[in-house]
Amino acid sequence: ETGVTQTPRHLVMGMTNKKSLKCEQHLGHNAMYWYKQSAKKPLELMFVYNFKEQTENNSVPSRFSPECPNSSHLFLHLHTLQPEDSALYLCASSQDSNRDYGYTFGSGTRLTVV
Amino acid sequence: EDQVTQSPEALRLQEGESSSLNCSYTVSGLRGLFWYRQDPGKGPEFLFTLYSAGEEKEKERLKATLTKKESFLHITAPKPEDSATYLCAVLGSNDYKLSFGAGTTVTVRA
Repeated sequence: ETGVTQTPRHLVMGMTNKKSLKCEQHLGHNAMYWYKQSAKKPLELMFVYNFKEQTENNSVPSRFSPECPNSSHLFLHLHTLQPEDSALYLCASSQDSNRDYGYTFGSGTRLTVV
Repeated sequence: EDQVTQSPEALRLQEGESSSLNCSYTVSGLRGLFWYRQDPGKGPEFLFTLYSAGEEKEKERLKATLTKKESFLHITAPKPEDSATYLCAVLGSNDYKLSFGAGTTVTVRA
């Protein structure tokens, strides 16, 4: 375990379903991120939260809705997804004042949209 | 916008056969260049941060080096357990988020 826990590990959902991904960190970090990883493509940053405030929405479609109730928890709410949204969704955290030490990633949620 | 290009896309090595991975980058004021290792079904695991040209860091069979335009990850006498995807990322002075390359998938055969 890296200190960043993501659930579920795998998710299969239909295009009309609503589901949520959960991320939890107990590293004392105050910045949290959602990334999308598709095969043979660079990690795509989706959302950034600093001290619970969303500081970036990287032109992500509205069918993805993030929520950060506190500095330790981050959610990604999913609804009416498309098959091309199938990917590995990674959560990461960092210490805002020490971002030079890189991010700590969770193991990801493998999402399949059918 | 920061850009990171990694090559080759895939690398197949025999155990003990040393090689290097390349990470070319374009960034406005480099604050740090990061190397991560990613195993199948897992998230990236932090390996190194390099801050300035000429800097080198080592960890077991891995050695990372940095110039003003690129970084190399040298794998010396690799073992099968070194098989993974290696990701490179940069952090620029005008930004607060990492920009990643697509990665190099290394397979080491016994």
